[in-house]
Amino acid sequence: GENVEQHPSTLSVQEGDSAVIKCTYSDSASNYFPWYKQELGKRPQLIIDIRSNVGEKKDQRIAVTLNKTAKHFSLHITETQPEDSAVYFCEDAGNMLTFGGGTRLMVKP
Amino acid sequence: DVKVTQSSRYLVKRTGEKVFLECVQDMDHENMFWYRQDPGLGLRLIYFSYDVKMKEKGDIPEGYSVSREKKERFSLILESASTNQTSMYLCASLWAGGRNTEAFFGQGTRLTVV
Repeated sequence: GENVEQHPSTLSVQEGDSAVIKCTYSDSASNYFPWYKQELGKRPQLIIDIRSNVGEKKDQRIAVTLNKTAKHFSLHITETQPEDSAVYFCEDAGNMLTFGGGTRLMVKP
Repeated sequence: DVKVTQSSRYLVKRTGEKVFLECVQDMDHENMFWYRQDPGLGLRLIYFSYDVKMKEKGDIPEGYSVSREKKERFSLILESASTNQTSMYLCASLWAGGRNTEAFFGQGTRLTVV
């Protein structure tokens, strides 16, 4: 079936630095790509999403970019803060909850 | 406010017991899913259901079964619990069609099999 590759699996940054997580998908028909944040002990929740008719979407310190030609999309977090520490999952929502493997982001104060 | 509720946050069961994990959603979603989440392995799909009494195997269905008797409730059953089923279990639901929409998750059930 279709799958989603997510990298890196762990990411450690200093507070204030930027963090980038990348996902690659395989189905060229996919057109909706959400990102979920899962804090320790809590459920995954949607933080940002992008549809294939746009190349970039931004919400405060979080942005997502999409390259349909290359079939990858990335999450960008700027000015990271300790509360950004969590596991982040990308999803190819065109393929019924096909998730990336997750990235554990650790922001060191 | 969408709610996906799992019946237990923590469970401890003995090897060989039959275990029921319940998930209820109140948004009239057709699609419901059960995942297990283990360190370094991300979210792995066990089973999903796209309608009442319908079910499909996911990537790791062995040792599990499911029941969807009502639209709002999707149960995961461990017929004979084993220690390798110790994990975090997450339920999710999705609106009709199942594609290109946000997924909503339950709070998770941490199951320990001793």
